[in-house]
Amino acid sequence: DTEVTQTPKHLVMGMTNKKSLKCEQHMGHRAMYWYKQKAKKPPELMFVYSYEKLSINESVPSRFSPECPNSSLLNLHLHALQPEDSALYLCASSQDPTRSRYNEQFFGPGTRLTVL
Amino acid sequence: QKEVEQDPGPLSVPEGAIVSLNCTYSNSAFQYFMWYRQYSRKGPELLMYTYSSGNKEDGRFTAQVDKSSKYISLFIRDSQPSDSATYLCAMSNYGQNFVFGPGTRLSVLP
Repeated sequence: DTEVTQTPKHLVMGMTNKKSLKCEQHMGHRAMYWYKQKAKKPPELMFVYSYEKLSINESVPSRFSPECPNSSLLNLHLHALQPEDSALYLCASSQDPTRSRYNEQFFGPGTRLTVL
Repeated sequence: QKEVEQDPGPLSVPEGAIVSLNCTYSNSAFQYFMWYRQYSRKGPELLMYTYSSGNKEDGRFTAQVDKSSKYISLFIRDSQPSDSATYLCAMSNYGQNFVFGPGTRLSVLP
């Protein structure tokens, strides 16, 4: 299995809703990432988990809350979002965050989020 | 100066043309260089991965890195309409500081 999967594919939510995005990989990768991508822009890093521990938080607002229940799963919990948070949310994984040779990242298809 | 700059495009070429996509960077610590292809409304797909200076070929794609000039290129030979996508360069140093370029949108016209 060489895929990163993400659910749901599309999500529409109101500003008072609570929802979660899910990401899964079965490649044995030990680093997982959340990115936000606006139209015609490159992905922007939000969070990095290394060996199931949060290692990087790129000053993301607290209305985004990541969780890594185990080495294969990554969640992003959403609460009280703003319309400007509408974007494509991408999950990625890489083999071993401590070994430089294996840091190429593999991306999932993304969840397209619309906040009304 | 941005850390990674990329020819902005958009770029339109006829089918069968050779395409050259380029990125420059300012951080001499970058050691690993990647090219991703992203189709509209999809996640980026890793195309090529190179370490340090030199060339790497994979089918119709050749990645070139010149660390002395802080310049990387992706060449696409015999371009096809299916190559129409946004191409993102990316680079990193020892697992830290993974950075994308802004992307170049390519259209290959039949």
